[in-house]
Amino acid sequence: GNSVTQMEGPVTLSEEAFLTINCTYTATGYPSLFWYVQYPGEGLQLLLKATKADDKGSNKGFEATYRKETTSFHLEKGSVQVSDSAVYFCALARGGTSYGKLTFGQGTILTVHP
Amino acid sequence: NAGVMQNPRHLVRRRGQEARLRCSPMKGHSHVYWYRQLPEEGLKFMVYLQKENIIDESGMPKERFSAEFPKEGPSILRIQQVVRGDSAAYFCASSSPGQGTNEQFFGPGTRLTVL
Repeated sequence: GNSVTQMEGPVTLSEEAFLTINCTYTATGYPSLFWYVQYPGEGLQLLLKATKADDKGSNKGFEATYRKETTSFHLEKGSVQVSDSAVYFCALARGGTSYGKLTFGQGTILTVHP
Repeated sequence: NAGVMQNPRHLVRRRGQEARLRCSPMKGHSHVYWYRQLPEEGLKFMVYLQKENIIDESGMPKERFSAEFPKEGPSILRIQQVVRGDSAAYFCASSSPGQGTNEQFFGPGTRLTVL
């Protein structure tokens, strides 16, 4: 079956540091890949997505590239801010447009200090 | 435009009681998903519904759990005879078949505590 593995946290960084959160997946076919962010007490928000190999998703300074050869979708940001402190989830869904059941990684807690 | 609404936000039940969790999807969305997040774990898919139909319940426990999405009104996740292991955050998400990219919009969750 499908599965997603994220690097274990928590991750603690100083403001303006470089961020990488690793994500690898196992899936049949060509899944769509997502990063969601969860702020304290809130639901998940879609951060970025990629639907085919070599696509790069980007939003709010975050980027992730769909690498089929390494089955990875690592999240990066060049300079983190305190407001980026949250839990980050990597997820996949079966490719296509009609059915969006998501398989999530376990989440990575990010804390950014001033 | 209101997002996905869930209520209650917090629910406390004693063992053996019933828990009812409600989810109102975003306006215009006809697909609803329920996920469960156990402590220190990621979200796990439970069930996928469209109006008046259960499409995929492969993640639902076989006993005590049920879900519905009636023609009118919110989607309901019902847990009968709750046990301590049911304590978790339950998230609802909705999507529209016209979106085309599987994007789901999540509610704030219901945090269930079983005493």
